Amino acid sequence: EVQLVESGGGLVQTGGSLRLSCTASGFTFSSYALSWVRQAPGKGLEWVSVIIGSGGSTYYADSVKGRFTISRDNSKNTLYLQMNSLRAEDTAVYYCAKDQTFGIVRGSFEYWGQGTLVTVSS
Amino acid sequence: QSVLTQPPSVSAAPGQKVTISCSGSSSNIGNNYVSWFQQLPGTAPKLLIYDNDKRPSGIPDRFSGSKSGTSATLGITGLQTGDEADYYCGTWDSSLSAVVFGGGTKLTVL
Repeated sequence: EVQLVESGGGLVQTGGSLRLSCTASGFTFSSYALSWVRQAPGKGLEWVSVIIGSGGSTYYADSVKGRFTISRDNSKNTLYLQMNSLRAEDTAVYYCAKDQTFGIVRGSFEYWGQGTLVTVSS
Repeated sequence: QSVLTQPPSVSAAPGQKVTISCSGSSSNIGNNYVSWFQQLPGTAPKLLIYDNDKRPSGIPDRFSGSKSGTSATLGITGLQTGDEADYYCGTWDSSLSAVVFGGGTKLTVL
Protein backbone atom coordinates (compact mmCIF):
# COMPACT_ATOMS: atom_id res chain seq x y z
CA GLU A 1 0.00 0.00 0.00
CA VAL A 2 1.36 3.39 -1.00
CA GLN A 3 1.64 5.88 1.83
CA LEU A 4 2.86 9.46 1.91
CA VAL A 5 3.19 11.11 5.30
CA GLU A 6 4.07 14.79 5.58
CA SER A 7 5.56 16.44 8.64
CA GLY A 8 7.25 19.66 9.65
CA GLY A 9 4.42 22.13 9.35
CA GLY A 10 3.68 24.72 12.00
CA LEU A 11 3.57 28.40 12.86
CA VAL A 12 6.45 30.54 11.65
CA GLN A 13 7.06 34.26 11.56
CA THR A 14 7.18 36.26 8.35
CA GLY A 15 10.68 35.99 6.89
CA GLY A 16 11.37 32.75 8.71
CA SER A 17 12.20 29.27 7.46
CA LEU A 18 10.68 25.82 7.71
CA ARG A 19 11.53 22.41 6.29
CA LEU A 20 8.80 19.99 5.36
CA SER A 21 9.35 16.26 4.99
CA CYS A 22 7.35 13.58 3.25
CA THR A 23 8.13 9.96 4.07
CA ALA A 24 7.01 7.46 1.46
CA SER A 25 6.41 3.73 1.40
CA GLY A 26 4.82 1.08 -0.79
CA PHE A 27 6.50 1.88 -4.11
CA THR A 28 9.94 2.15 -5.71
CA PHE A 29 10.69 5.63 -4.43
CA SER A 30 13.52 6.51 -6.80
CA SER A 31 11.43 5.74 -9.90
CA TYR A 32 8.79 8.42 -9.54
CA ALA A 33 8.59 12.19 -9.65
CA LEU A 34 7.23 13.77 -6.48
CA SER A 35 5.60 17.15 -6.11
CA TRP A 36 4.56 19.55 -3.42
CA VAL A 37 1.09 21.02 -3.89
CA ARG A 38 -0.40 23.57 -1.54
CA GLN A 39 -3.85 24.88 -0.76
CA ALA A 40 -4.43 28.16 1.02
CA PRO A 41 -7.45 28.29 3.34
CA GLY A 42 -10.61 28.33 1.26
CA LYS A 43 -8.67 28.44 -2.01
CA GLY A 44 -7.85 26.07 -4.84
CA LEU A 45 -4.88 23.83 -5.46
CA GLU A 46 -1.54 25.42 -6.30
CA TRP A 47 1.38 23.34 -7.51
CA VAL A 48 4.63 24.35 -5.82
CA SER A 49 7.49 22.19 -7.06
CA VAL A 50 8.48 18.83 -8.52
CA ILE A 51 11.62 16.69 -8.42
CA ILE A 52 12.21 13.77 -10.74
CA GLY A 53 13.10 10.33 -9.42
CA SER A 54 16.88 10.68 -9.61
CA GLY A 55 16.76 14.15 -8.09
CA GLY A 56 18.57 15.48 -11.14
CA SER A 57 15.87 17.90 -12.24
CA THR A 58 13.65 20.23 -10.28
CA TYR A 59 10.99 22.74 -11.26
CA TYR A 60 9.26 25.47 -9.29
CA ALA A 61 6.22 27.70 -9.47
CA ASP A 62 7.16 31.33 -10.03
CA SER A 63 5.60 32.23 -6.68
CA VAL A 64 8.25 30.26 -4.76
CA LYS A 65 11.23 30.32 -7.11
CA GLY A 66 14.37 31.45 -5.30
CA ARG A 67 12.81 30.94 -1.86
CA PHE A 68 11.90 27.24 -1.77
CA THR A 69 14.14 24.25 -2.50
CA ILE A 70 12.87 20.75 -3.18
CA SER A 71 15.11 17.76 -2.59
CA ARG A 72 14.90 14.04 -1.95
CA ASP A 73 16.90 11.33 -0.23
CA ASN A 74 16.24 8.11 -2.10
CA SER A 75 18.07 6.10 0.55
CA LYS A 76 15.54 7.28 3.13
CA ASN A 77 12.46 7.36 0.86
CA THR A 78 11.96 10.96 1.91
CA LEU A 79 11.04 14.13 0.06
CA TYR A 80 11.83 17.58 1.44
CA LEU A 81 10.78 21.16 0.92
CA GLN A 82 13.03 23.84 2.40
CA MET A 83 11.06 27.05 2.65
CA ASN A 84 12.89 30.33 3.28
CA SER A 85 11.82 33.97 3.38
CA LEU A 86 8.29 32.89 4.18
CA ARG A 87 5.42 35.27 3.51
CA ALA A 88 1.85 35.44 4.75
CA GLU A 89 0.67 34.24 1.34
CA ASP A 90 2.59 30.98 1.83
CA THR A 91 0.09 30.00 4.52
CA ALA A 92 -1.49 26.79 3.29
CA VAL A 93 -1.84 23.07 3.70
CA TYR A 94 1.10 21.50 1.91
CA TYR A 95 0.61 18.11 0.29
CA CYS A 96 3.22 15.83 -1.19
CA ALA A 97 1.95 13.94 -4.20
CA LYS A 98 3.25 11.07 -6.31
CA ASP A 99 2.98 11.19 -10.08
CA GLN A 100 1.32 8.11 -11.47
CA THR A 101 3.50 7.77 -14.53
CA PHE A 102 6.82 5.99 -14.18
CA GLY A 103 9.81 8.24 -14.67
CA ILE A 104 8.18 11.44 -15.94
CA VAL A 105 6.17 14.41 -14.74
CA ARG A 106 2.57 14.61 -15.88
CA GLY A 107 0.75 16.01 -12.90
CA SER A 108 -1.37 12.86 -12.69
CA PHE A 109 -1.09 12.62 -8.92
CA GLU A 110 -2.49 9.25 -7.95
CA TYR A 111 -1.38 9.39 -4.32
CA TRP A 112 -1.43 12.29 -1.91
CA GLY A 113 -0.36 12.68 1.68
CA GLN A 114 -2.73 13.95 4.35
CA GLY A 115 -1.16 17.41 4.24
CA THR A 116 0.67 19.54 6.78
CA LEU A 117 -0.41 23.05 7.70
CA VAL A 118 2.04 25.92 7.44
CA THR A 119 0.97 29.21 8.98
CA VAL A 120 3.05 32.31 8.39
CA SER A 121 2.24 35.16 10.68
CA SER A 122 3.84 38.34 11.89
CA GLN B 1 -5.70 33.79 -12.00
CA SER B 2 -5.32 30.13 -12.92
CA VAL B 3 -3.66 29.00 -16.15
CA LEU B 4 -6.54 26.58 -16.74
CA THR B 5 -10.08 27.94 -16.69
CA GLN B 6 -12.95 26.11 -15.03
CA PRO B 7 -16.46 27.31 -14.17
CA PRO B 8 -16.64 28.21 -10.46
CA SER B 9 -19.73 26.11 -9.87
CA VAL B 10 -22.12 23.65 -11.46
CA SER B 11 -25.23 22.00 -10.12
CA ALA B 12 -27.66 19.26 -11.06
CA ALA B 13 -30.23 17.01 -9.49
CA PRO B 14 -29.54 13.51 -8.15
CA GLY B 15 -29.47 10.94 -10.93
CA GLN B 16 -28.73 13.54 -13.59
CA LYS B 17 -25.56 14.17 -15.57
CA VAL B 18 -23.17 17.10 -15.30
CA THR B 19 -20.11 18.19 -17.24
CA ILE B 20 -17.24 20.38 -16.07
CA SER B 21 -15.07 22.13 -18.61
CA CYS B 22 -11.39 22.99 -18.43
CA SER B 23 -9.90 25.38 -20.96
CA GLY B 24 -6.22 25.93 -21.60
CA SER B 25 -3.77 26.50 -24.41
CA SER B 26 -1.43 24.67 -26.74
CA SER B 27 1.36 24.73 -24.16
CA ASN B 28 -0.67 22.79 -21.61
CA ILE B 29 -3.86 20.92 -22.52
CA GLY B 30 -3.17 21.08 -26.25
CA ASN B 31 -0.01 19.02 -26.01
CA ASN B 32 -0.12 17.22 -22.68
CA TYR B 33 -2.30 14.76 -20.82
CA VAL B 34 -5.06 16.05 -18.55
CA SER B 35 -5.97 14.75 -15.11
CA TRP B 36 -9.03 15.39 -12.98
CA PHE B 37 -9.21 15.41 -9.19
CA GLN B 38 -12.06 15.30 -6.70
CA GLN B 39 -11.66 16.95 -3.32
CA LEU B 40 -14.24 16.27 -0.67
CA PRO B 41 -14.42 18.77 2.20
CA GLY B 42 -11.50 18.45 4.59
CA THR B 43 -9.72 15.74 2.62
CA ALA B 44 -6.81 15.45 0.21
CA PRO B 45 -7.58 15.47 -3.51
CA LYS B 46 -8.27 12.17 -5.22
CA LEU B 47 -7.33 11.26 -8.79
CA LEU B 48 -10.44 10.58 -10.87
CA ILE B 49 -9.14 10.68 -14.44
CA TYR B 50 -5.63 10.55 -15.90
CA ASP B 51 -4.25 10.65 -19.44
CA ASN B 52 -7.38 12.54 -20.55
CA ASP B 53 -9.82 9.67 -20.29
CA LYS B 54 -8.48 6.83 -18.14
CA ARG B 55 -9.86 5.90 -14.74
CA PRO B 56 -7.68 4.56 -11.91
CA SER B 57 -8.85 1.30 -10.43
CA GLY B 58 -11.73 1.81 -8.05
CA ILE B 59 -13.14 4.87 -9.79
CA PRO B 60 -16.66 4.08 -11.04
CA ASP B 61 -17.48 4.43 -14.71
CA ARG B 62 -19.93 7.19 -13.83
CA PHE B 63 -16.87 9.42 -14.15
CA SER B 64 -15.47 10.04 -17.63
CA GLY B 65 -12.97 12.38 -19.24
CA SER B 66 -12.40 13.69 -22.72
CA LYS B 67 -10.14 16.16 -24.49
CA SER B 68 -10.46 18.12 -27.68
CA GLY B 69 -7.84 20.61 -28.77
CA THR B 70 -7.07 22.91 -25.87
CA SER B 71 -10.09 21.95 -23.76
CA ALA B 72 -10.98 19.02 -21.57
CA THR B 73 -14.23 17.88 -20.01
CA LEU B 74 -15.14 15.81 -16.97
CA GLY B 75 -18.49 14.07 -17.08
CA ILE B 76 -20.36 12.62 -14.14
CA THR B 77 -23.52 10.58 -14.65
CA GLY B 78 -25.99 9.23 -12.13
CA LEU B 79 -25.22 12.05 -9.71
CA GLN B 80 -25.22 11.21 -6.02
CA THR B 81 -25.19 13.50 -3.02
CA GLY B 82 -21.78 12.03 -2.19
CA ASP B 83 -20.41 13.57 -5.40
CA GLU B 84 -20.70 17.04 -3.91
CA ALA B 85 -17.11 18.21 -3.92
CA ASP B 86 -14.60 20.49 -5.59
CA TYR B 87 -13.22 19.25 -8.90
CA TYR B 88 -9.91 20.32 -10.42
CA CYS B 89 -8.27 19.75 -13.77
CA GLY B 90 -4.51 19.65 -14.05
CA THR B 91 -1.76 19.09 -16.56
CA TRP B 92 1.88 19.85 -17.37
CA ASP B 93 2.60 23.17 -19.06
CA SER B 94 5.55 22.83 -21.41
CA SER B 95 6.19 26.59 -21.67
CA LEU B 96 6.12 27.20 -17.92
CA SER B 97 7.81 23.88 -17.06
CA ALA B 98 5.22 23.58 -14.34
CA VAL B 99 2.17 21.61 -13.35
CA VAL B 100 -0.90 23.81 -13.68
CA PHE B 101 -4.35 23.44 -12.17
CA GLY B 102 -7.71 24.94 -12.92
CA GLY B 103 -9.27 27.16 -10.30
CA GLY B 104 -11.67 24.42 -9.27
CA THR B 105 -15.37 23.81 -9.75
CA LYS B 106 -17.77 23.29 -6.87
CA LEU B 107 -20.39 20.68 -7.68
CA THR B 108 -23.71 20.93 -5.91
CA VAL B 109 -26.16 18.05 -6.14
CA LEU B 110 -29.51 19.67 -5.52
